[in-house]
Amino acid sequence: SQQGEEDPQALSIQEGENATMNCSYKTSINNLQWYRQNSGRGLVHLILIRSNEREKHSGRLRVTLDTSKKSSSLLITASRAADTASYFCATAVHQAGTALIFGKGTTLSVSS
Amino acid sequence: DAGVIQSPRHEVTEMGQEVTLRCKPISGHNSLFWYRQTMMRGLELLIYFNNNVPIDDSGMPEDRFSAKMPNASFSTLKIQPSEPRDSAVYFCASSPSSGGAEDTQYFGPGTRLTVL
Repeated sequence: SQQGEEDPQALSIQEGENATMNCSYKTSINNLQWYRQNSGRGLVHLILIRSNEREKHSGRLRVTLDTSKKSSSLLITASRAADTASYFCATAVHQAGTALIFGKGTTLSVSS
Repeated sequence: DAGVIQSPRHEVTEMGQEVTLRCKPISGHNSLFWYRQTMMRGLELLIYFNNNVPIDDSGMPEDRFSAKMPNASFSTLKIQPSEPRDSAVYFCASSPSSGGAEDTQYFGPGTRLTVL
């Protein structure tokens, strides 16, 4: 079964709106990371939040982590058409070798 | 830096043929990962290496799949014999692996494999 599950599976919004994606996981983690994948491309790392952190910002991205609920959210503010992509959460379970487990992703469509 | 390099970018082959996918990680990175991505199963970790040594190959689907990392700058994923259900995009990723659990992974562009 998936360690990370994103919700919703798909999201369509207008430019300028905010987009919120959620991720739930099952086991305890060292950190949680969010990646973006544009169509036909490899994944690109966006942001990492450690298990002892609650919130982190990077530009228009805001990530929260609630370890008691085993969940995280990714907020993209003032979305742009270029934000159209799939977004994946990934959890670091192993201590050595940093093997990440990815969810199935949320597909975000931003229309202008 | 050129990033993670994968070849070929596209591969079309017939069932039963041997397929070899290649990956060159980012120079200086100590960990290398092979993933498979399909619509049905999402992104699956197949195997990962640390300092050229396979650490976890529990994701390798079956004996038809094998992976090697003969040196720090090259890895191969081989499928022999290939089957139509192996059709997917295969990604290679590398990470600095400084020893902590905070390393991010850098993905290559992927190889789109179609087995007819």
